[in-house]
Amino acid sequence: EAGVVQSPRYKIIEKKQPVAFWCNPISGHNTLYWYRQNLGQGPELLIRYENEEAVDDSQLPKDRFSAERLKGVDSTLKIQPAELGDSAVYLCASSVRGGISGPYYEQYFGPGTRLTVT
Amino acid sequence: GENVEQHPSTLSVQEGDSAVIKCTYSDSASNYFPWYKQELGKGPQLIIDIRSNVGEKKDQRIAVTLNKTAKHFSLHITETQPEDSAVYFCAVRGEGANAGKSTFGDGTTLTVKP
Repeated sequence: EAGVVQSPRYKIIEKKQPVAFWCNPISGHNTLYWYRQNLGQGPELLIRYENEEAVDDSQLPKDRFSAERLKGVDSTLKIQPAELGDSAVYLCASSVRGGISGPYYEQYFGPGTRLTVT
Repeated sequence: GENVEQHPSTLSVQEGDSAVIKCTYSDSASNYFPWYKQELGKGPQLIIDIRSNVGEKKDQRIAVTLNKTAKHFSLHITETQPEDSAVYFCAVRGEGANAGKSTFGDGTTLTVKP
């Protein structure tokens, strides 16, 4: 079974430029997460999707970050414009939720995209 | 919101010794407690988890214990090997408004010296 796929793996951009990250979750996983991981810290949730609906985006800086999950499968996270403080690893994870109000099962993480803003 | 503290931040042991990492959390409604191992350049990988209705779980050299009253849980690795060297993260997940949302500790860098 293929794992969570992310691209690109590395990205270096100048501040004020736009950048986009792509994630392909594990087949059949209806829940998708985007996390940001700063150096020396644990992942912090940015947004969580159930199918194509964003059910928790409270930690997403909406002035510059946007995300979409068309058709409830792949997802894209965008930053425009990027700031120096956005340098981090952006992780995508997916899991299965057992029904509308069912339990959430284990999360599987992709390898992440390391973003450097200069 | 949930607050998770993880200790120690770094841990160095000799090969064959045991390693223990502890996490405390604040929300008594939390009911799922996974541990992840993250190697350089990779995403976190689930290594063991425990739910609130269980006090201990073991998988070969790895075990997790949970004390819901004191709101802490621990990862135990026995007979450590150099390949156990990595960063370990605990996480906490709850129900209701926090259902599906995991809060992570800041990680423990484990070094196993051969």
